[in-house]
Amino acid sequence: EVQLLESGGGLVQPGGSLRLSCAASGFTFSNSVMSWVRQAPGKGLEWVSGIGARDGNTYYADSVKGRFTISRDNSKNTLYVQMNSLRAEDTALYYCAKHRNCVSGCLDEFDLWGQGTGVIVSS
Amino acid sequence: DIVMTQTPLSLSVTPGQPASISCKSSQSLLHSNGKTYLHWYLQKPGQSPQLLIYEVSNRFSGVPDRFSGSGSGTDFTLIISRVEAEDVGVYYCMQAIHLPLTFGPGTKVDIK
Repeated sequence: EVQLLESGGGLVQPGGSLRLSCAASGFTFSNSVMSWVRQAPGKGLEWVSGIGARDGNTYYADSVKGRFTISRDNSKNTLYVQMNSLRAEDTALYYCAKHRNCVSGCLDEFDLWGQGTGVIVSS
Repeated sequence: DIVMTQTPLSLSVTPGQPASISCKSSQSLLHSNGKTYLHWYLQKPGQSPQLLIYEVSNRFSGVPDRFSGSGSGTDFTLIISRVEAEDVGVYYCMQAIHLPLTFGPGTKVDIK
């Protein structure tokens, strides 16, 4: 089955850290450009970060640049995001998403989304 | 950043009737390669978003043909020819020509 399964969310204090994981299955992960997209409670969608398939190029929204680090392990078919210096405004459901057609140097539309993992930043 | 706006922000539709959602971008989404990077998603209640339309007018695999997209440059439209109960949710447009990728605020569609 083609799917993305996120994990690692939870409650963390402001200034704390968390690492989210996304396990991919049913498609050739190593050929797929991937991103993290978040959705704050009751709000819309916000792209957070993306990573190339094999070139390892990384891309970030200004709101997380310098605090979040996206990475991938193609041998484990897993996408990660290390989130440091967390703020209350990072509270959201974090989705892992696969880009449809891009292989390198681009981020196009998302054709597969996970179910999301929740992050709450609160003291 | 490219700002995406959508109108209306909410829509109540009688089953079987058409629905139309407008999306406008603050910059042209036409790439030098001739493609226009405007995409539409539907987020059904309690679910993850799902791709409906990519590059303005291409229906994604499995998307019913009652969904269609049109537009160019900075002005785009999603049309549902005959709304069904399963079409309720929030519709988002998204641009993918420039980073950061940005979404519209969403249009909530419900059934009368």
